[in-house]
Amino acid sequence: DSGVTQTPKHLITATGQRVTLRCSPRSGDLSVYWYQQSLDQGLQFLIQYYNGEERAKGNILERFSAQQFPDLHSELNLSSLELGDSALYFCASSAGPGPGSSGNTIYFGEGSWLTVV
Amino acid sequence: LAKTTQPISMDSYEGQEVNITCSHNNIATNDYITWYQQFPSQGPRFIIQGYKTKVTNEVASLFIPADRKSSTLSLPRVSLSDTAVYYCLVGDRFKAAGNKLTFGGGTRVLVKP
Repeated sequence: DSGVTQTPKHLITATGQRVTLRCSPRSGDLSVYWYQQSLDQGLQFLIQYYNGEERAKGNILERFSAQQFPDLHSELNLSSLELGDSALYFCASSAGPGPGSSGNTIYFGEGSWLTVV
Repeated sequence: LAKTTQPISMDSYEGQEVNITCSHNNIATNDYITWYQQFPSQGPRFIIQGYKTKVTNEVASLFIPADRKSSTLSLPRVSLSDTAVYYCLVGDRFKAAGNKLTFGGGTRVLVKP
């Protein structure tokens, strides 16, 4: 158990709909990262928040948005869903703002399976 | 984050040692090297991290040459349960910018009986 909690674990929704994925980071971690992994694909970085502020942005679509709340949990909002958005969405957390060095390792949750039909 | 290059796949047999090399030619001074293991439909799991020379823990060893332009993850005496995708990630704990937090393609390791 990495200590990163994601909900829901599985979600099935229709095209055009909007969903929200939730992540609770490890206790004490200030950074939250969101990744997308489609079937047999690598991990695609979407966005990172550090202590409530956006820190880094990857290839996140305009239909997607995220935020980190004062209690450090984060939500990823996916709207106008398309079939191609079906994927495993991972949240990860780390203590500091970047992924390097001992004590600042990124730890991943078990992911939220999104199926768009 | 430094761009990383790994072999796409490797096959091995139970009991053998598996060595996976990651190239990161433009690694920066403050960058650390971290390796992750991912099983299907699960989140990547931290294996080992290092900055230079050799690091060993209960599951793996990490060898980093003096120029730090590559690193080799060594898995001793693998078992069938070590079949997974292995990723190396190179980064600076103080910096994160743009889309430099994307993992490389990873190496699919298949351990055969």
